[in-house]
Amino acid sequence: NAGVTQTPKFQVLKTGQSMTLQCAQDMNHNSMYWYRQDPGMGLRLIYYSASEGTTDKGEVPNGYNVSRLNKREFSLRLESAAPSQTSVYFCASISGRRAGSSYEQYFGPGTRLTVT
Amino acid sequence: TQLLEQSPQFLSIQEGENLTVYCNSSSVFSSLQWYRQEPGEGPVLLVTVVTGGEVKKLKRLTFQFGDARKDSSLHITAAQPGDTGLYLCAGLPRFSGTYKYIFGTGTRLKVLA
Repeated sequence: NAGVTQTPKFQVLKTGQSMTLQCAQDMNHNSMYWYRQDPGMGLRLIYYSASEGTTDKGEVPNGYNVSRLNKREFSLRLESAAPSQTSVYFCASISGRRAGSSYEQYFGPGTRLTVT
Repeated sequence: TQLLEQSPQFLSIQEGENLTVYCNSSSVFSSLQWYRQEPGEGPVLLVTVVTGGEVKKLKRLTFQFGDARKDSSLHITAAQPGDTGLYLCAGLPRFSGTYKYIFGTGTRLKVLA
């Protein structure tokens, strides 16, 4: 049981290049998330997928696209990378174990992206 | 727009000291979570509070949800070097209709031996 996996772990891009960040979970979770983490900003939601085939914008969606390929996989694509997208990207999924009106989020180890 | 403010942003203390971290908002949340993040890893859930005024304890960590469900605090008693990390609060806005969590700005704690 690997939990949430992300690839790659590190990436350096030049301005204007494109790339896709991959995320997969093996916990049979319905909902998945993409966040970015910048110093002093905590985690900010980029996109959210409540279930297979559905996606919804978060707080900072500009410059990104997502694809919920199936229940397990949720990818994040940067079509034309910009230096402002230098960040650490985390994928997460929600457990089925309910605590009141909230669910535990399980996070992947992150992808450290630098755009020069 | 960041709806959850955490304070302090940085905290460096000696082993054995007590500390409190605050998570404040003008919005009401149906629940609030606290996570701890180690360098190079993703956040890991510590606790979820869902009822106004609720207090939960996890060994030396005490979590409280404000009566109006707009704020929360994390108190650590007799801090140890193993408590070092980034502490994040995350709230689920009331009546949001989705599971889009709002994360706080984070508190970076360093406990010196």
